[in-house]
This record gives sequence, structure tokens and C-alpha cells, in this order.
Amino acid sequence: GAGVSQSPSNKVTEKGKDVELRCDPISGHTALYWYRQSLGQGLEFLIYFQGNSAPDKSGLPSDRFSAERTGGSVSTLTIQRTQQEDSAVYLCASSLKVQSVSPLHFGNGTRLTVT
Amino acid sequence: KQEVTQIPAALSVPEGENLVLNCSFTDSAIYNLQWFRQDPGKGLTSLLLIQSSQREQTSGRLNASLDKSSGRSTLYIAASQPGDSATYLCAVRGDKAAGNKLTFGGGTRVLVKP
Repeated sequence: GAGVSQSPSNKVTEKGKDVELRCDPISGHTALYWYRQSLGQGLEFLIYFQGNSAPDKSGLPSDRFSAERTGGSVSTLTIQRTQQEDSAVYLCASSLKVQSVSPLHFGNGTRLTVT
Repeated sequence: KQEVTQIPAALSVPEGENLVLNCSFTDSAIYNLQWFRQDPGKGLTSLLLIQSSQREQTSGRLNASLDKSSGRSTLYIAASQPGDSATYLCAVRGDKAAGNKLTFGGGTRVLVKP
């Protein structure tokens, strides 16, 4: 596609429910990143993929968070048993590869609100 | 652990004035540094990317410099316009030994007053 696409753009969920956030990277980009941006805060690294594998999962805040990527393309970030502190904008980005001279391209994010 | 700092956190200037935005990082083992712009409610738009072997990059009114040894980068925006109002973030990508991780600064919120 022309850019990184994320869906849904907005998600409101009740505390305790599970949510799935989707990221469709730019075609041909093998590296994919997930970040979280809380209100008034900087970007917090969650996880990155090189192809379908995730060499660095160190940023996932708890075992309620998981992510997968299939076919080297679409990625899904799943949050189980959501808590109010999970409310944030979840941003996805992609680049040609991890060690790349090309820039990182971001989607518009998914705004998650846990009530 | 890489730490990226952007000072000031907010900046207000009259239209036409040049903008100088600072970014500092603690670990010089970087692969590249990238400057982004973020408008309210939007994702990040890439402005400039500087490889670790480069000292500067230019695009139109924007110029970014990199001094890897001192852990600093500066983004200059010439002749600022109200449309330049946004939050500007810098991000440092560690090299392979540092895990390739991209670490962001907290951003500088810029307001250009007409």
C-alpha cells in the first residue's frame, strides 16, 4: 500500500476485555515496529519484527501483551484483560529492513481507551 | 541503556524567526538518527534521516546536523511559518551491538505565531 495502515483508528473497550490492534506495513518492508504513546508522554518501544520473527520483545509491559506477524506482512498486537493504564495511542511503523538507510514510516495509530 | 533528551520541551517563536531544536543521546554507538514531525492526533512524519557516518542532511528549509562523538543533533528550520507548528521528535537507532533499537526523545512542541 501507499503507507502504513492501522485499524481500528479508535477503540473503546471495557476493563478486562481483550483487544486486537492491526498494522498493515508498506509493501516490501521487512521491519515492523510497535510503539505506545501515552498522553503527554514520549514514545515507548514495545516490540519489533524482522520478517516474522521478533528478536526484541523487551518492551512489552506485561504478559498480557503479545504480538505476531504472519507472512512477513500484517502484524497484530493483542492486549488481554485490558486495564485502564493500557489507554494510549498505539503506533506502528515499518522500514525496508532493520539496518536500513531508508526512514521509518509511521501509521496514524490506534487510540485505545479502556473504561 | 540509550537515553535521548530533547530540550526545550516547548518553544514559541514569531513567524519568520529561525528555529533551533536540540537532541542529545547518551550512547554514541548509533546506526542513524531520524527527525520526525507529529501533528495533533496524527502519526509521525519523517523529516530527515542522518546516517552515523554523515554530519548533516538538508531538505528545503530544514537542516539537521549530527555530532556523534558528543552525542548531539540539531534541527534547524529556517524562516519559520505557522504551518511549522507541531511536535518535533528525534529518534536514535542503535547499531547491531546495541540491538538495533530505536529510542525516541520526549519531543519539542513548537508554536509559530503569525
